[in-house]
Amino acid sequence: GAVVSQHPSWVICKSGTSVKIECRSLDFQATTMFWYRQFPKQSLMLMATSNEGSKATYEQGVEKDKFLINHASLTLSTLTVTSAHPEDSSFYICSAPWTSGGSRETQYFGPGTRLLVL
Amino acid sequence: GENVGLHLPTLSVQEGDNSIINCAYSNSASDYFIWYKQESGKGPQFIIDIRSNMDKRQGQRVTVLLNKTVKHLSLQIAATQPGDSAVYFCAEFNYNQGGKLIFGQGTELSVKP
Repeated sequence: GAVVSQHPSWVICKSGTSVKIECRSLDFQATTMFWYRQFPKQSLMLMATSNEGSKATYEQGVEKDKFLINHASLTLSTLTVTSAHPEDSSFYICSAPWTSGGSRETQYFGPGTRLLVL
Repeated sequence: GENVGLHLPTLSVQEGDNSIINCAYSNSASDYFIWYKQESGKGPQFIIDIRSNMDKRQGQRVTVLLNKTVKHLSLQIAATQPGDSAVYFCAEFNYNQGGKLIFGQGTELSVKP
């Protein structure tokens, strides 16, 4: 199977600081990764599509200058929350698509990163 | 997204009973559908998927039914166990939308021993 990791698993930071979250595909390459945000008791909301070698594509209403995405290699995408504020506190999850044995593509998710901004 | 701000519906079942979790999807052109299980504080875990040209698919203890006429998916869990307690999300996938997954509202399943 495909394994996606995230680091850190949780982070607490002061308001106004920036926080970087890493998403790695451990045993496969991913030219595309996806970043989601999830508030308590709610569904996952897609924030942006991370593309290796090109700019990320952001969903409507997501500030690209606030949430910087860099797809540095075929196994690593990073999300940087700039000038974080308490309302940015959330659970951030990444995913990467993987095709098993030529069959349809399935997205595998990382374990998530919980961000708390004080 | 369209599900922001909505709170999860809940389903409570007795251990050993069958569970049925329902989901309405939005895009009649979606190519396939996936059910995910999410335990508290963890990322979603793939359970089962189904292509848009099928109406039923079975896995181990789980069955997914697809009704394209009314844009409805269901997940059936047989002999529900305490370890099945989690939040279950359906997601729809459309190749023409860059491979994005759009998640449904989710249902919190609670299994009573």
